[in-house]
Amino acid sequence: GQQLNQSPQSMFIQEGEDVSMNCTSSSIFNTWLWYKQDPGEGPVLLIALYKAGELTSNGRLTAQFGITRKDSFLNISASIPSDVGIYFCAGQGWSGNQFYFGTGTSLTVIP
Amino acid sequence: KAGVTQTPRYLIKTRGQQVTLSCSPISGHRSVSWYQQTPGQGLQFLFEYFSETQRNKGNFPGRFSGRQFSNSRSEMNVSTLELGDSALYLCASIPGTGRETQYFGPGTRLLVL
Repeated sequence: GQQLNQSPQSMFIQEGEDVSMNCTSSSIFNTWLWYKQDPGEGPVLLIALYKAGELTSNGRLTAQFGITRKDSFLNISASIPSDVGIYFCAGQGWSGNQFYFGTGTSLTVIP
Repeated sequence: KAGVTQTPRYLIKTRGQQVTLSCSPISGHRSVSWYQQTPGQGLQFLFEYFSETQRNKGNFPGRFSGRQFSNSRSEMNVSTLELGDSALYLCASIPGTGRETQYFGPGTRLLVL
């Protein structure tokens, strides 16, 4: 099945730095979701986006639904150690109800 | 509101056996999706159920099957287990009301020996 291109694959940053990651698709999506997953646990929903151009924040997290409908971005400001984990994007197209997932971005925050 | 419940959390089986995993979605949610997650393949979509009907299916062999009950609870079954079936199996609860999102359960960690 379709898989989204998510980058970067991994990031090592200092505590307090800002983080940016993105997801791209060859298809147009009408929904973008961003998740964080801790080891051995299920992904936790961070932000949901439903409209092209939409910019939504959740605390220090901000995500945007790209204008082309083929990409989305997640930014984390002033990172802290508990931000460590794997971040996934997921997109849903018009033609079906299936969600497609990115390959994940592994974030390590160095205190 | 209670979250998504998956049982069991951990399971060890041997090759050739079969296994049944259970998922109880968030109250009021009508759709459930199942995913297999492995380090090498990431999150792979298995199938989705809505109102007791399979609505979408991923590219998995027929050994993987599922069903949904009238109370929206869902089960997935894997028959004739193979070593490669070792994975974290995740269930996602979906409202089924139009503006969709997915809420994941904690997963069932399956180890096939």
